[in-house]
Amino acid sequence: AQSVAQPEDQVNVAEGNPLTVKCTYSVSGNPYLFWYVQYPNRGLQFLLKYITGDNLVKGSYGFEAEFNKSQTSFHLKKPSALVSDSALYFCAVRDPSGTYKYIFGTGTRLKVLA
Amino acid sequence: EAQVTQNPRYLITVTGKKLTVTCSQNMNHEYMSWYRQDPGLGLRQIYYSMNVEVTDKGDVPEGYKVSRKEKRNFPLILESPSPNQTSLYFCASSPTLRGDTYNEQFFGPGTRLTVL
Repeated sequence: AQSVAQPEDQVNVAEGNPLTVKCTYSVSGNPYLFWYVQYPNRGLQFLLKYITGDNLVKGSYGFEAEFNKSQTSFHLKKPSALVSDSALYFCAVRDPSGTYKYIFGTGTRLKVLA
Repeated sequence: EAQVTQNPRYLITVTGKKLTVTCSQNMNHEYMSWYRQDPGLGLRQIYYSMNVEVTDKGDVPEGYKVSRKEKRNFPLILESPSPNQTSLYFCASSPTLRGDTYNEQFFGPGTRLTVL
C-alpha cells in the first residue's frame, strides 16, 4: 500500500538555526511529492513539490527539499529558521499507481524558539 | 480573488440528521477533493473528482457522498452522520495538465463538524 511517514510529531529548533522536517514515502512507481504548511485556524498552503528533474527543489518562504530516491525520502529544510515558521507541516504524495489519490503524512509540528 | 470557499465553517449536529457541506472554487480547476483532518492521523482523502460527473473514492469514503454537477462546486454529503465523523474537513482544488494532477492543491478554510 502507498504510504507517507513523518516520523517526528514535533521538531523544536532555535531561531536562526537550520531546520529539517523529515518525510519518507512508500509507493510503487515515480512519486509526485509535496510539502504543505498549516498555520493555526487556517487551511493548508502549498510550499513546494517534486515532480521530476533536479532533486533539490526550492519553494516558498526560503524552504527547500531534497528528493532522495534511494532512501525514499523528501525532507524539508531551511537554512535559518524564523519564529514565524512555527506551524504544522504536511508531506504528501500523489499515488502514481494510476489513481489520482493523494496520501498525506500525519504532520510535524515545528516550533521555532526565540 | 482566487479562492476555495466552504460553508458552513462550523456545524454542530446530531446523529442521523443529513447535512451538506458546500465547496466552491473560482479558479476553473478540474480537480477537486475532500479531506478530513484528525489529530494524529493527518489528512485523509475522502473523495476526489477529476472533472464534472467524474468522482472517485479516496481512502476513507464510508459514510460520505459527493457530486460534481458543475465544475466550480463539489458538495460533501453526510446522509446519516455519526459521532465518528466529528472532524475538521477541507475542500481543495487544483488544475490538471494534460489530464494529470501534479499541480499543487488550493485549500479552503475548513469546516469544523461536531456530531453529537
